[in-house]
Amino acid sequence: DVKVTQSSRYLVKRTGEKVFLECVQDMDHENMFWYRQDPGLGLRLIYFSYDVKMKEKGDIPEGYSVSREKKERFSLILESASTNQTSMYLCASSPPPPQETQYFGPGTRLLVL
Amino acid sequence: AQKVTQAQTEISVVEKEDVTLDCVYETRDTTYYLFWYKQPPSGELVFLIRRNSFDEQNEISGRYSWNFQKSTSSFNFTITASQVVDSAVYFCALGSRGNNRLAFGKGNQVVVIP
Repeated sequence: DVKVTQSSRYLVKRTGEKVFLECVQDMDHENMFWYRQDPGLGLRLIYFSYDVKMKEKGDIPEGYSVSREKKERFSLILESASTNQTSMYLCASSPPPPQETQYFGPGTRLLVL
Repeated sequence: AQKVTQAQTEISVVEKEDVTLDCVYETRDTTYYLFWYKQPPSGELVFLIRRNSFDEQNEISGRYSWNFQKSTSSFNFTITASQVVDSAVYFCALGSRGNNRLAFGKGNQVVVIP
């Protein structure tokens, strides 16, 4: 069974804090993704990774960085959290083409005060 | 560029009514893939179906059915005899061969009233 887990369901942080969101998949997928979801804006891709130590910017990478040291783990880092980063963060993974179906984790609701 | 349009933002139905969600896509690729996901209030996006561009067969899975029409670039989703548990946001998405990224529509909020 497909399994993507995220380290926290809910997180409250203060402005300026460094925040780590962790995502782990157990499907041996090459690709992993980080999205944020905001009302009225849908899902927006922040970063994705197609292999260990490889990453590519998505549509809204500003204010974020990522790390992929192991195939199963993909971390999203907010170097200095700001209130406009309050959002729902969703992680996904997928096998390589042609089977690009993305499988999602439960999401992390981050509130930055 | 790839684009997915889900025109209806919120749809309310009374339990047992049918509801159809429209998805219109734009792509220049000849080989592409279409997806539907369900996001219940808990937040997790649940994969429902994937359709390849070369397979226009419609599909039925229980109370769910999908109508793929290349001629109108549409991939519509129907829930028959809706239930309260169908209340969720439904996303249509588009991918293409060799491209890891998906283009998502803005989603349809479905509210099923008991």
